[in-house]
Amino acid sequence: GESVGLHLPTLSVQEGDNSIINCAYSNSASDYFIWYKQESGKGPQFIIDIRSNMDKRQGQRVTVLLNKTVKHLSLQIAATQPGDSAVYFCAEIHTGGGNKLTFGTGTQLKVEL
Amino acid sequence: KAGVTQTPRYLIKTRGQQVTLSCSPISGHRSVSWYQQTPGQGLQFLFEYFSETQRNKGNFPGRFSGRQFSNSRSEMNVSTLELGDSALYLCASSRESRGDVDTQYFGPGTRLTVL
Repeated sequence: GESVGLHLPTLSVQEGDNSIINCAYSNSASDYFIWYKQESGKGPQFIIDIRSNMDKRQGQRVTVLLNKTVKHLSLQIAATQPGDSAVYFCAEIHTGGGNKLTFGTGTQLKVEL
Repeated sequence: KAGVTQTPRYLIKTRGQQVTLSCSPISGHRSVSWYQQTPGQGLQFLFEYFSETQRNKGNFPGRFSGRQFSNSRSEMNVSTLELGDSALYLCASSRESRGDVDTQYFGPGTRLTVL
């Protein structure tokens, strides 16, 4: 069935280093992918998205890579800052399936000073 | 522009009671979706409303219901509460959903505790 999973539950990085958060998905019909950041006590915050006809998209300090061959998604955060500490979720949507987001289990990113 | 707002932020109920949660989407957004977040199951889709009609429904029992008003505000109701319904209930709104997808923006959630 549909599932979006994350490889690592916790990722610790030093401040200033780059972070890479990975995500695997199983629904080959998925055509839209989103990364969300959730801080404690808050709802998920949109970071960046990518459609299935792209393999890379860049934002401010963040880059999302999509490899449809192996159904893999990654979020790269450049020069990680303490404010980046949060849980990161990947989510996918299958256009035609409505606006239903299927979320991964989440990765806790901890930034060490 | 104001974000998605949810009320109340915290709620404590006992088993067997019912509860109604409210969500006000971002101005101009017509689609509202609800999600349940628990440590064990993560974020799970409950249902989506668009133009006062339920467009999608997740795999939750009939005790979970919702509705949307003409101003796009939405409510969800859980009847006959069970301990397992304790969760963070999140509402998300997007501009439109007509065969294409739009970014969903989330509210802060309502933390429901069932005793």
